[in-house]
Amino acid sequence: AQSVAQPEDQVNVAEGNPLTVKCTYSVSGNPYLFWYVQYPNRGLQFLLKYITGDNLVKGSYGFEAEFNKSQTSFHLKKPSALVSDSALYFCAVRDDDMRFGAGTRLTVKP
Amino acid sequence: GAGVSQSPRYKVAKRGQDVALRCDPISGHVSLFWYQQALGQGPEFLTYFQNEAQLDKSGLPSDRFFAERPEGSVSTLKIQRTQQEDSAVYLCASSSGQAYSNTGELFFGEGSRLTVL
Repeated sequence: AQSVAQPEDQVNVAEGNPLTVKCTYSVSGNPYLFWYVQYPNRGLQFLLKYITGDNLVKGSYGFEAEFNKSQTSFHLKKPSALVSDSALYFCAVRDDDMRFGAGTRLTVKP
Repeated sequence: GAGVSQSPRYKVAKRGQDVALRCDPISGHVSLFWYQQALGQGPEFLTYFQNEAQLDKSGLPSDRFFAERPEGSVSTLKIQRTQQEDSAVYLCASSSGQAYSNTGELFFGEGSRLTVL
């Protein structure tokens, strides 16, 4: 069965600095990978996905993610963090259904 | 509607009561998913429908949990004889695409928060 791992429970960055939220995956077939964000008391919002093609995918709110097949990773990145980016971030992999990582809490300090 | 709608948003139940949580997916979406999310944790898969067919219910934690989608649109997650460990947010999501399409993103509702006293 497919799975993803998010090795960091928490990531802290200063506003204006670049941020990275890590994700590694395990699948038996083609990896279909996703990133979601969750704000307090809200559902999950889709940020971006990798299906095929260019290893660097761009998504909402200035986020991007880099697919690395040799390292089985799909790290989320943003060149310049905003305080409003503070939220829970989930990596996910889809086969028929979708399985999520445990989440990483991103805190961006002014 | 424009998005996935879930009701009720908040439900408080006494231990032993039955509860029903409703999900109204985005119109025309073939796939529907239920997840359970504990506080500060990632969503845990419960079950998955393609139209009215329940293709995977491997994530349902016990036989007290039951989900249905009889007409391939609205879905109901039912929990019988609730226990304190059932307290969580229950998220519903839908996705477009044909059966077994696995490249589409899921669109989530805001969840139903269940508290069992």
